[in-house]
Amino acid sequence: NAGVTQTPKFRILKIGQSMTLQCTQDMNHNYMYWYRQDPGMGLKLIYYSVGAGITDKGEVPNGYNVSRSTTEDFPLRLELAAPSQTSVYFCASSHRGQTDTIYFGEGSWLTVV
Amino acid sequence: AQTVTQSQPEMSVQEAETVTLSCTYDTSENNYYLFWYKQPPSRQMILVIRQEAYKQQNATENRFSVNFQKAAKSFSLKISDSQLGDTAMYFCAFASQGGSEKLVFGKGTKLTVNP
Repeated sequence: NAGVTQTPKFRILKIGQSMTLQCTQDMNHNYMYWYRQDPGMGLKLIYYSVGAGITDKGEVPNGYNVSRSTTEDFPLRLELAAPSQTSVYFCASSHRGQTDTIYFGEGSWLTVV
Repeated sequence: AQTVTQSQPEMSVQEAETVTLSCTYDTSENNYYLFWYKQPPSRQMILVIRQEAYKQQNATENRFSVNFQKAAKSFSLKISDSQLGDTAMYFCAFASQGGSEKLVFGKGTKLTVNP
C-alpha cells in the first residue's frame, strides 16, 4: 500500500521563488493535512481539508496556499519563499478527522536560501 | 488554547529495560483524545498509541502502554523490554473532540536505546 506520498523529498529554494509540494493518498480519506516541523519542535498545522473543495487554515497558514480538487490530492503552494519557511513538511490524511489515526507521508525537506 | 508539555528533552535506556516518557497537557475540555507518535531517524511519523479521554482504562499496544491520569492531565508512555528499534523522537499530542480540527503536539522526547 502506498499510503500518503509526498514529492519532492528534498528541495532548495531561493528567497522569493515559489513552489508546490505535491501530496496524494490512496486510502480514500476525507481529511488531509499539511504540517511543518521546525528543528527541535513538534508539528504545527498549516492547512487542512475535510473533503474535496473544502480547505481551512491551521495554526501557521501565512505564506502558504492549498487546494483540494480531488479526494486524493492536496498540494501545498509556497509563494515568495522566505528563510522562515525552511522546515520539514509533512502531508497526512485520516478517515474521520484529527481524533482518528492519522497517516503521515515521509516528509519533504525544504531549505530557503 | 490547549498546550502539550514534554519535560524530558532526551532520555536513554538499556536494551530490554523499561522506560517511561512524561507528558502533561492543559485543556478545559472534557472529551478529547491523546496520542503518542514515534519519529525514527527516517522522520516518518508513526502512531504508537491512542487514548480516548472518556475511557478510564489505559491503552496498551504490545510493549507500549500509557498511564492516563485525567484529573492530573498527565499522559505518560511506558515502553517495556526496550529494543534498539525504539530509538526515536516521541511526540505526545492532543486533539479535542469536535470543534476545530487541530492536533497539538509537544516538543518531543529523544529516546536512545543502548545495546
